[in-house]
Amino acid sequence: EADIYQTPRYLVIGTGKKITLECSQTMGHDKMYWYQQDPGMELHLIHYSYGVNSTEKGDLSSESTVSRIRTEHFPLTLESARPSHTSQYLCASSESVEGGGNSPLHFGNGTRLTVT
Amino acid sequence: QKEVEQDPGPLSVPEGAIVSLNCTYSNSAFQYFMWYRQYSRKGPELLMYTYSSGNKEDGRFTAQVDKSSKYISLFIRDSQPSDSATYLCAILRSNDYKLSFGAGTTVTVRA
Repeated sequence: EADIYQTPRYLVIGTGKKITLECSQTMGHDKMYWYQQDPGMELHLIHYSYGVNSTEKGDLSSESTVSRIRTEHFPLTLESARPSHTSQYLCASSESVEGGGNSPLHFGNGTRLTVT
Repeated sequence: QKEVEQDPGPLSVPEGAIVSLNCTYSNSAFQYFMWYRQYSRKGPELLMYTYSSGNKEDGRFTAQVDKSSKYISLFIRDSQPSDSATYLCAILRSNDYKLSFGAGTTVTVRA
């Protein structure tokens, strides 16, 4: 049973709208991440945080922003959604450095975003 | 060039068959090698990890790493319909401790 929760699971929204994708975890992990996943493509890291008030951009450039005000909460915001933002967004957390053997990533079940 | 290349599949096999999944990587600084399994409409979950060349077994699953060839494999013995999923290889970069993922191989095990 996943201890990391993402809402909404599915979102269809019009161009230009502001959206926030929610992610919460109950494991007390300091490290949290946002990945983007498109069919047949690699997962790409778009944002990560190593603790409260710490956020960094990942490998893939993204117009989204994130915040980390509480350890358990790591929301992702798009100020003005566009069709190019259509994708699946996966949130993850880990106890230690990313995926390092004994500290695997724990993923949520994702938010599938469609921008029309 | 992608850091991690994964055989794209998809694969469809009968129940009981051996499934072989493969990835190659380009960066010799990679140090941890993982396989994640992702069921439909779910997030990935860690299946196995290893950090050395050779084989590591866990039940019906065997992870194999050949650092000299920069090649990793996952074998599933006696495959079951419940093994139907997308399998993602992932490798930890030692310079920044970030994961590089393969694109995934979707496996269907037919009953």
